[in-house]
Amino acid sequence: QQPVQSPQAVILREGEDAVINCSSSKALYSVHWYRQKHGEAPVFLMILLKGGEQKGHDKISASFNEKKQQSSLYLTASQLSYSGTYFCGTEKSGTYKYIFGTGTRLKVLA
Amino acid sequence: DVKVTQSSRYLVKRTGEKVFLECVQDMDHENMFWYRQDPGLGLRLIYFSYDVKMKEKGDIPEGYSVSREKKERFSLILESASTNQTSMYLCASSPGLGVYYEQYFGPGTRLTVT
Repeated sequence: QQPVQSPQAVILREGEDAVINCSSSKALYSVHWYRQKHGEAPVFLMILLKGGEQKGHDKISASFNEKKQQSSLYLTASQLSYSGTYFCGTEKSGTYKYIFGTGTRLKVLA
Repeated sequence: DVKVTQSSRYLVKRTGEKVFLECVQDMDHENMFWYRQDPGLGLRLIYFSYDVKMKEKGDIPEGYSVSREKKERFSLILESASTNQTSMYLCASSPGLGVYYEQYFGPGTRLTVT
């Protein structure tokens, strides 16, 4: 079951904050976050694991609520460089196969 | 830095042609992946490989095959291209399998089948 991301798109002014959510109908054991700028490769941002362990970008924060089967990515004091499409992904339990959400398009305006 | 390169950024092929998409990574990663990316559908896994000559089907393998003869190279093959295979194809590699390992993506090949 593909993770569901919300919102689908958001427009911000520089300096504003945004939250991107990723939820699943199945149990989540980990969540990966990636950002893809237009015409470029997706770039790894963070991994969040069950139990609170995190790995990744030290300037981006995220949360992982195992009970709610949801993760949120927090973009604070947004910069122009934050523009892009953000994807969350999770592993289908025990398969090593990743499934990704449909993405959230974020545009930061000057 | 890990570098994943793909042989073409843009490719136009005719229906029925055999198409090869090549991917090379330079970090000695064991694992490599092929995804297709379509608007509104996100990234969907076609195949992945966890070692030379080893492969596993992803969620949408129909109409595709793969080849991994060398560790650094993973090829996606469209045996007989069809218009519904028009898409962006992304290759990725990873140092391990499982929840703790991030994936490194190539820039993608935009394939158009006419």
